[in-house]
Amino acid sequence: DIQMTQSPASLSASVGDRVTITCRASQGISSHLAWYQQKPGKIPKLLIYAASTLQSGVPSRFSGGGSGTDFTLTISSLQPEDVATYYCQKYSSAPLTFGGGTKVEIK
Amino acid sequence: EVQLAESGGGLVQPGGSLRLSCAASGFTLATYAMSWVRQAPGKGLEWVSLISGVSGSTYYADSVKGRFTISRDTSKNTLNLQMNGLGAEDTAIYYCAKGAFAYISNFDNWGQGTLVTVSS
Repeated sequence: DIQMTQSPASLSASVGDRVTITCRASQGISSHLAWYQQKPGKIPKLLIYAASTLQSGVPSRFSGGGSGTDFTLTISSLQPEDVATYYCQKYSSAPLTFGGGTKVEIK
Repeated sequence: EVQLAESGGGLVQPGGSLRLSCAASGFTLATYAMSWVRQAPGKGLEWVSLISGVSGSTYYADSVKGRFTISRDTSKNTLNLQMNGLGAEDTAIYYCAKGAFAYISNFDNWGQGTLVTVSS
């Protein structure tokens, strides 16, 4: 099975900082990658699919990139409401594996 | 508006069984891939099972294969998860999630989840 590895596991940044989270697949998955945001005590929310397509209603400060095995989620200007754990997920085939998550906090 | 409402969670003894349901509204469940995803307390997301739209093909994580069965009731527009042989490692919030398409795809809507606790 393909493994999904996220880094870092956690980060702390200041409001307005540019933040980048990395997700690596153990084998190529083309662009079959999604990013989800889960705020504390809330359900997950789809941010990006097909590696770089922004879900409707998601702020444009979020962007995704990559294909094959290496992917990124970037927050161009971190806001207080972005405090959350972010997960990548591959959906090229079953199993639909999630990365371990990246917890984002405000410094 | 798409809505997903899970039910059936609760406290069950090790080795026991539980049946979860997810009532869907705002769309026809059988035309989309539907999944169960779980989250153990303080841990990350773990995909559990998927049933594809139209064909109804089913897929399972290795951790639940042979113990869990996913199904759907088209007359009730409901997704089900029959869980047998439960162990402490199955303690988690269980979410149902709607796929964006009939085939394996990302999840565009999630339910609020139902808590399953396996303990004696």
